[in-house]
Amino acid sequence: QLVQSGAEVKKPGASVKVSCKASGYTFTVFYMHWVRQAPGQGLEWMGIINPSGGSTSYAQKFQGRVTMTRDTSTSTVYMELNSLRSEDTAVYYCARGGVGANRPLSLWGQGTLVTVSS
Amino acid sequence: DIQMTQSPSYLSASVGDRVTITCQASQDISNYLHWYQQKPGKAPKFLIYDASNLESGVPSRFSGSGSGTDFTFTISSLQPEDFATYYCQHYDNSLLTFGGGTKVEIK
Repeated sequence: QLVQSGAEVKKPGASVKVSCKASGYTFTVFYMHWVRQAPGQGLEWMGIINPSGGSTSYAQKFQGRVTMTRDTSTSTVYMELNSLRSEDTAVYYCARGGVGANRPLSLWGQGTLVTVSS
Repeated sequence: DIQMTQSPSYLSASVGDRVTITCQASQDISNYLHWYQQKPGKAPKFLIYDASNLESGVPSRFSGSGSGTDFTFTISSLQPEDFATYYCQHYDNSLLTFGGGTKVEIK
């Protein structure tokens, strides 16, 4: 399963770091994605991390503002988003992909609500 | 970048109806197309992979077809628990794209 950290309230301009702890499988074998969903909107992909070597690829929209990392000792991935604005208010999900990056997102975290408000 | 166009964005149907959702890719993606179901307040649930393969445990009333640029997701007989939003998804060249979603509501 994937267990995410709790809800956050941040002011505009601040940063947020969301964690996602994996259990029940070999952490380094499967890619991990981050997906967000603004209130009433669809799913938006943010990026992918390979937990084995730590390599990442980010959606162009978030380039320069997002950082994804992992800690293999605790089977945890992290997503940090900087320079928050109101439009970043959303539920953030981690989702486990497959052995290949094009495999489906078969396991999802419960979601973390990030609210950006002054 | 490959664009995924999903339609309709909304449909109203009754229990027992056959429901069809389409997803069109802006270029050939072979069969690398997956489908998800999302209920309000919940994380998405993975239903179908590689266009037509049902994930283990998913009811057989769900099915998918297509290859290349045109894909179809079908619920053969809509059940009360199927009212939700459905998304198609593709990954290629370090970019993952979701369709815009189809909200299935009760008529």
